[in-house]
Parts: sequence; structure tokens; C-alpha cells
Amino acid sequence: EDQVTQSPEALRLQEGESSSLNCSYTVSGLRGLFWYRQDPGKGPEFLFTLYSAGEEKEKERLKATLTKKESFLHITAPKPEDSATYLCAVQARGSTLGRLYFGRGTQLTVWP
Amino acid sequence: DADVTQTPRNRITKTGKRIMLECSQTKGHDRMYWYRQDPGLGLRLIYYSFDVKDINKGEISDGYSVSRQAQAKFSLSLESAIPNQTALYFCATSDRTGSTGYTFGSGTRLTVV
Repeated sequence: EDQVTQSPEALRLQEGESSSLNCSYTVSGLRGLFWYRQDPGKGPEFLFTLYSAGEEKEKERLKATLTKKESFLHITAPKPEDSATYLCAVQARGSTLGRLYFGRGTQLTVWP
Repeated sequence: DADVTQTPRNRITKTGKRIMLECSQTKGHDRMYWYRQDPGLGLRLIYYSFDVKDINKGEISDGYSVSRQAQAKFSLSLESAIPNQTALYFCATSDRTGSTGYTFGSGTRLTVV
């Protein structure tokens, strides 16, 4: 059965303290891995799609990387406005096309 | 205007009542989805629709039904609401490949008392 596991469940950082979030996956062939940001009471907002091992994507202080078994979301010099829950999702080859499987998320808090 | 609009934003209803949550999208996508989100459980798929004539059950469809009234509209009904259906509900849409991810609505916070 396909699974997506995110760690840690929660992370508290001081402003400027860089760190990484992890998303490990077990799928029968990866079609794509997605990162989303979700603010409290709002819908997830798309950040990145990664398709193959070795691929990297960047957006402001965020960089997502992908290996054959996991993805990392690196946060460099975070600011309080980066506080949110970050969700990882995978799309598997051979599964219903377009369907995503989500992890439970990492709740990030950045304090001044 | 938002790409995906959900109504209502918040709703409190009584046990046993029938309730409908509505979703409309302006992305022009064929595929639409309903998820519920509970603390600690993440997003779980209730129903999905790949076009107007295609509707499929997700992981947790019991107690729910859906209607795809048009390409742009996908509604979720709770036939007889129960307290453990209290959750945050999200509608989403994607293109046919899903390769650009989903676009989510802002959610409906439903409380069943």
C-alpha cells in the first residue's frame, strides 16, 4: 500500500534558524511529489512539484529536493511569516491518474 | 475571484439533518475532489469526479454523497449528519494529469452538534 510519512510532526524554529522537513514515501513508481503550504483555516497552497530523483526547486527561502525514497523541504533563515503546516503528497504511477496521497503534515512555527 | 469557491465557509448543524456543501471552480478543469481534514489525520479523500459522468468513492465515502452538476460544480451532501463528521472540508480541482497539483478551495468548517 502506498504511504507518505512526514517528520517531524511539529517544528519550532527561531527566526533565522535554518532546518529541513522530511517526507518519505513508498509508492509503486513515483509520478510526482508535491509540496503544499497550509495556513490555519485555509486550503493548502501549492508550492512545488518534483518528478525525478536529484531534482530541486526553489522559492524564496524554501528549497525542495527529491531522492528515490524521500523529499526534503529546506527552509533557509526562516521568518515568522513562514509559520504554517507543510504538506507533502505523492502521485503514483499506475494509480488512478491525477489522484494524490497526502502525508499528515509538519506544523512549523517560527518565533522572532 | 478565487479559482475554487466553497460555500458555506462555516456551518453548524444538528445531528440527523441533511446538509449540502457546494463547490465551484473557474479553472476549467475536468477533475474535482472532496477531502476532509481532521487534526492529526491529514487530508482524506471522500469522493472524486473525473468528469460530469464519472464519480468515484474515495477512502471514507460512507455517510456522504456527491453530485456533479456541471464541469464547474461539485457538491457534497451529508444525508444524516453525525457528530464525528465535524471536520474541515475541502474541495479541489486538477487538470487531467494532476501533474500541476491540486487547487484547493478555502474550506468549509462543519460542526455537527
